[in-house]
Amino acid sequence: GEDVEQSLFLSVREGDSSVINCTYTDSSSTYLYWYKQEPGAGLQLLTYIFSNMDMKQDQRLTVLLNKKDKHLSLRIADTQTGDSAIYFCAESIEDSSYKLIFGSGTRLLVRP
Amino acid sequence: DAGVIQSPRHEVTEMGQEVTLRCKPISGHDYLFWYRQTMMRGLELLIYFNNNVPIDDSGMPEDRFSAKMPNASFSTLKIQPSEPRDSAVYFCASRDSGTPGDTQYFGPGTRLTVL
Repeated sequence: GEDVEQSLFLSVREGDSSVINCTYTDSSSTYLYWYKQEPGAGLQLLTYIFSNMDMKQDQRLTVLLNKKDKHLSLRIADTQTGDSAIYFCAESIEDSSYKLIFGSGTRLLVRP
Repeated sequence: DAGVIQSPRHEVTEMGQEVTLRCKPISGHDYLFWYRQTMMRGLELLIYFNNNVPIDDSGMPEDRFSAKMPNASFSTLKIQPSEPRDSAVYFCASRDSGTPGDTQYFGPGTRLTVL
């Protein structure tokens, strides 16, 4: 079945890079997404990558996709305290009308 | 654009009462999704609509839950009767299938507490 897994927690120092990892099981994924959720708020789309790409960069964010290993990562350069939040990885599956399957979320804590 | 709008933002009710959650999707979006988020189960898809028609309601936990989309700009999720285990944050999301990325845009959520 479809499953997306993430580590639960990551702590980094302000100014360092953060790398949040995600693994998924369904090889028919069309798009993979990273969402950010701040306390008491909804999910904010950060970026997405098409499954035939291996890298996408958007300002401080770099997404790497290893389709062979079904591994997705999000790198945040120069991490700031405002980046503290929960980050969700999600995959959309073409044969499920693009239903999203979410991971459990990684809580990122940025220490001053 | 105002984004996806949900109301109320917070709802506290007593067990057995009817609860109605509301959602206004982004104008022009043809898909609407209802999710539930809890600590134990994470984000779960409850039901989704395409062009106002329910497509997949396999995530709806019980017959106590029902959802409608009478028009392209409004949807409701109703729980009747509510139970304490329904306490969660309920999110609505919408998507425009014609844009690259097939991205879903989420509302701010409704935090439901059933006492």
